[in-house]
Amino acid sequence: DAKTTQPTSMDCAEGRAANLPCNHSTISGNEYVYWYRQIHSQGPQYIIHGLKNNETNEMASLIITEDRKSSTLILPHATLRDTAVYYCIVRVMDSNYQLIWGAGTKLIIKP
Amino acid sequence: NAGVTQTPKFRVLKTGQSMTLLCAQDMNHEYMYWYRQDPGMGLRLIHYSVGEGTTAKGEVPDGYNVSRLKKQNFLLGLESAAPSQTSVYFCASRGPKDGYTFGSGTRLTVV
Repeated sequence: DAKTTQPTSMDCAEGRAANLPCNHSTISGNEYVYWYRQIHSQGPQYIIHGLKNNETNEMASLIITEDRKSSTLILPHATLRDTAVYYCIVRVMDSNYQLIWGAGTKLIIKP
Repeated sequence: NAGVTQTPKFRVLKTGQSMTLLCAQDMNHEYMYWYRQDPGMGLRLIHYSVGEGTTAKGEVPDGYNVSRLKKQNFLLGLESAAPSQTSVYFCASRGPKDGYTFGSGTRLTVV
């Protein structure tokens, strides 16, 4: 599985867009990029995933570079409730896929 | 539709005692997982199941056993608890190409 590199921590002002980067330079053609987040003491929450096209849902946008070696998760209008650890995971989406969890990025939204 | 429910939410055990953690899902998912999470770390896979009656070892299976007698339930057992098993335990389930849905966790302390 391709490895991912994320910053350990980031700050963002409330109401601003939070942009969380992820490097996955060894990603292969059939590997998807997944994003999850974990709010303190809770179970992780699925945010979004994509293969090569940019994706958007009600929670966030995922921007994947053309060479697929990096991606950015965008929370368009961050709120205090978005303070969490964000995990970027790369994995093949076959029927038996499993996710390998790294340490993630601690995002702190400041008032 | 409750999603994934874990019981109990908290438990304190003495070294050598046994206990069973219950995970129940109502989404008709085939795949179920047990993870542990230690402070400041990502999730580590203990055991998983790809369907009723099946189980498989994950990254850190030693000291744990599991059973999947019914599709909706996945049980995690500790036969002889050790202080090293003090952790937060998360259960998750997913469909064939769905994101993971996690429970709210069980906080276990072994003294």
